[in-house]
Amino acid sequence: ETVMTQSPATLSMSPGETATLSCRASQSVDRNLAWYQQKPGQAPRLLIYGASTRATDIPARFSGSGSGTEFTLSISGLQSEDIAVYYCQQYNDWPRTFGQGTKVEIQ
Amino acid sequence: QVQLVESGGGLVKPGESLRLSCAASGFTFSDSYMHWIRQSPGKGLEWVSFISTRASTIYYADSVKGRFTISRDNAKNSLYLQMNSLRVEDSAVYYCARDRYQMPLWGQGTLVTVSS
Repeated sequence: ETVMTQSPATLSMSPGETATLSCRASQSVDRNLAWYQQKPGQAPRLLIYGASTRATDIPARFSGSGSGTEFTLSISGLQSEDIAVYYCQQYNDWPRTFGQGTKVEIQ
Repeated sequence: QVQLVESGGGLVKPGESLRLSCAASGFTFSDSYMHWIRQSPGKGLEWVSFISTRASTIYYADSVKGRFTISRDNAKNSLYLQMNSLRVEDSAVYYCARDRYQMPLWGQGTLVTVSS
């Protein structure tokens, strides 16, 4: 099983700053990596797939990078609506696995 | 309207069974690969099961293998999860989600609580 590890657990930022979230895979997942945003009481929403491709209607301030075992989600120009938990997920092999999430707070 | 709607959750005792349903609309369900994913209260996401378009390929997480059964009825645009021998640790919101790789469409979830 490919274990996905996200860091940090919590990120406290100011409006307008750039948040950088990390995701590490225990073995290579190539670029088969997605990022999701989950707001309280809501289902997860796909942000990024293929490590760097934005999903439909996702603003350009969300960007993804990386390949192999190291991945990054960047959120530039943080807004209050970005308060959420962000998860990475690998779809390189079975079982599909998620990271434990990074909670983004805005001060 | 493209959507997934889960139902069938509820409160059951350990050892009991429950069947979840996921109704699809607004897209060609029979061409869609489907997953069940769960989320325990205050916890992260855990992938549970996958089924291919014609149910020829099925996968389960080790934590549910032998107890849960995924199935689908393409004529009814519906996905199912039969959950037997439920345990306290199966308590979670259960989501259905579409597609083989990344998951661009999720339902709103249905809550399963297993408690004596």
